[in-house]
Amino acid sequence: DQQVKQNSPSLSVQEGRISILNCDYTNSMFDYFLWYKKYPAEGPTFLISISSIKDKNEDGRFTVFLNKSAKHLSLHIVPSQPGDSAVYFCAASAWERAGKSTFGDGTTLTVKP
Amino acid sequence: DGGITQSPKYLFRKEGQNVTLSCEQNLNHDAMYWYRQDPGQGLRLIYYSQIVNDFQKGDIAEGYSVSREKKESFPLTVTSAQKNPTAFYLCASSPGPGIANGHGYTFGSGTRLTVV
Repeated sequence: DQQVKQNSPSLSVQEGRISILNCDYTNSMFDYFLWYKKYPAEGPTFLISISSIKDKNEDGRFTVFLNKSAKHLSLHIVPSQPGDSAVYFCAASAWERAGKSTFGDGTTLTVKP
Repeated sequence: DGGITQSPKYLFRKEGQNVTLSCEQNLNHDAMYWYRQDPGQGLRLIYYSQIVNDFQKGDIAEGYSVSREKKESFPLTVTSAQKNPTAFYLCASSPGPGIANGHGYTFGSGTRLTVV
């Protein structure tokens, strides 16, 4: 049972436009959600997180939205830049799971110049 | 610079051999984790440790073993019992389980293990 799902394996957008990456989860015990960015042959880099008590968190060009009733979160990147091209992983964590994170399968974002 | 060092970057193993992947951090983090990534898939948790001399199995611990004798080090041994060991292995750390939830993990650059 995959508890964190990223249903779009890939996304392609034009430079300067908005990128929207989606993530769904099934476990209502998750209390933190995180996004990581990963380049090939490297480890993921933490990007942004959101607590389950919030519905929005913003950091520069990156905004994460959380819809608890739908068990859905999304990462918005505005404006998209070619350097944003990478694999983006959604992850979820629960205090009762001692902070261990469960990851989705990732979405490959390509930003075209 | 503080960070996590994984070595080697590439590792080849013959079938039936055990192999140990190194993970060292100088971030003074309490918690450390080992994840495995297969092509087109997400990261799956192998083992984690929240404190020195203590570690817990993750979701796919069979065929793996770890130790946590020092705060800085969390080596992973891939044993011959692991049926499909070829994968990209990632080590991560966080200040502690609670803090990790808001701040995310710090990952190493990974070790790609290939069984030949």
